[in-house]
Formats: sequence, C-alpha cells, structure tokens
Amino acid sequence: GEDVEQSLFLSVREGDSSVINCTYTDSSSTYLYWYKQEPGAGLQLLTYIFSNMDMKQDQRLTVLLNKKDKHLSLRIADTQTGDSAIYFCAESKVADKLIFGTGTRLQVFP
Amino acid sequence: DTGVSQDPRHKITKRGQNVTFRCDPISEHNRLYWYRQTLGQGPEFLTYFQNEAQLEKSRLLSDRFSAERPKGSFSTLEIQRTEQGDSAMYLCASSFEVEETQYFGPGTRLLVL
Repeated sequence: GEDVEQSLFLSVREGDSSVINCTYTDSSSTYLYWYKQEPGAGLQLLTYIFSNMDMKQDQRLTVLLNKKDKHLSLRIADTQTGDSAIYFCAESKVADKLIFGTGTRLQVFP
Repeated sequence: DTGVSQDPRHKITKRGQNVTFRCDPISEHNRLYWYRQTLGQGPEFLTYFQNEAQLEKSRLLSDRFSAERPKGSFSTLEIQRTEQGDSAMYLCASSFEVEETQYFGPGTRLLVL
C-alpha cells in the first residue's frame, strides 16, 4: 500500500543546516513534494522533484531523492527562525491525489 | 489571481447540524481536490474533480459527505448530521493538468460540539 513516513521533530540552531527525511513505499510514485505549514494555515508548496531526478536545488533548499531506498530529504541551508513550521513530504502519481506523511515539526532556536 | 480561497475560515456547529464549505480554485485550474487534516496528522485525500466531473472519492468520505463542482469552477463540500469526529481542518487544492503541482487554500477549520 501507500505509506509515507517522517520523523516527528527536528530542532536546529539558527544559521545551521536542517535536514528533514522522508521514506515512502510506493515505487510507482511519479512526483515527490515538500510542503510547509505554519500554525493555523494551509500548505505552502516549497518544491517538488520528478522521480527520474536525484537532486534539485532551489535557493536555500536542496532535495535529494534515493529511488532505490525510497528515501527523500529536504536540506534547508542557513536555517532562520522564520523556517520554524511543520514540513510535509508527499508523493503522487500523474494526475492523482497526494499521499502525505505525518509531518516533521522544525524548531529553530537562536 | 491571489490563489485558492476557502470560506468560511472557521466554523463551529452543534452535533447533528449540516455544514457547507466553499472553495474557489485558481482561475485557470481545472482540477480541484478536497483533503481533511486532523490534529497532528498530515492531510488525507477526500475527493477530486476534473472540471465538473467527480473522478475519485476516498473511502473516508462517508454517505454524510457530498461534494459538488457544478460549473467546473468553485466547489462545495457539505457534511450532513455532523459528528464530533468530523472536527478537522478541511483543505482545498487546485492544479492545472499539465503542471501536476497542487496549490492549497488556507483551509476551513470545523469544530463540532
């Protein structure tokens, strides 16, 4: 079946890099996404990667995909207090619903 | 266009009452999705429209839930005879079929007393 798992919490010091990890089970997933959710708000699309890629970089964000191990990670460089939020990993097939993980709460301390 | 909008943002109702939520997608987006998010969990898929056709419904969507998208633009999600277990954030997302990325609205937070 389809399942996406993430660790629940991550705490980092301001200015350090954060790495949020995700594993998924559906090898036929076509797209993998990272969304950010701040308290009481909807989900903000951060970035996504197509399953035939192994890396994507977008400013402070780097996504790494290991398709063999079904492992996805999001690295945030120079983490700021404004990055504190819940980060969701999600996967989908073409034109299909998103399957989300339970989210990783990132706390950034000064 | 400022993005996906949802109305109301918050709704408090008593058990047994009916509620209706509205979602306005990004104007050129032909796909519209509804998700439900309970506290501490990731969003779970409820249903999906392409234009006005409802193409998929989750097993989570009991008979008390109905969704429509009559003209292929805005959508409504109605919950009849609400139960306390319906308390959640209801999220709407839209996408344009050649882009595959879903953009979310701010959500409607429902509390059933």
